[in-house]
Amino acid sequence: AQSVTQLGSHVSVSEGALVLLRCNYSSSVPPYLFWYVQYPNQGLQLLLKYTTGATLVKGINGFEAEFKKSETSFHLTKPSAHMSDAAEYFCAVRGDTGRRALTFGSGTRLQVQP
Amino acid sequence: NAGVTQTPKFQVLKTGQSMTLQCAQDMNHNSMYWYRQDPGMGLRLIYYSASEGTTDKGEVPNGYNVSRLNKREFSLRLESAAPSQTSVYFCASSEMADTQYFGPGTRLTVL
Repeated sequence: AQSVTQLGSHVSVSEGALVLLRCNYSSSVPPYLFWYVQYPNQGLQLLLKYTTGATLVKGINGFEAEFKKSETSFHLTKPSAHMSDAAEYFCAVRGDTGRRALTFGSGTRLQVQP
Repeated sequence: NAGVTQTPKFQVLKTGQSMTLQCAQDMNHNSMYWYRQDPGMGLRLIYYSASEGTTDKGEVPNGYNVSRLNKREFSLRLESAAPSQTSVYFCASSEMADTQYFGPGTRLTVL
């Protein structure tokens, strides 16, 4: 079975500062990894995903994540935070070939201070 | 394209009442899912349907039933609602093992 751990339920950064949201996973098979963003009172929107190939993945809104197999990590970064980045971010893994549903982390709420 | 739609957006029930949450997708996806979202717990899978005519239990199926009515529609039924089922419910769909697309959610309160 797979699992996801997101370190830090709340992260606060200043506008223009680096954003780093941490995600570690466990999976018995090569994982597919996802980051989703949820704005208040909305559904989840895909930011980026890793399936195979290049380990540095670029997504929407300037976000990127790097898959590091040796560290079982898939941390999300953005060089310069914008006020509009304030939201909740979820890391998810799909690693079990029998079930295609996602296993989600508990989420990280990002605050951006002016 | 509307993507994934869910009805209703909000619902308040009394303990013991029943209701059905509706979900439809217009992307011709084979797989559909129901999740619940609770504070500090992320999203947890209730049921999923890998294809039309099949359904399987997820992580937290107790107290719920589902119906995959056709390829487009996947409904979630609460037969006898309990306060522990107060949550936000999301439906999602995907093609094979790829990206899941989520609906806007249903906020359910059980008194």
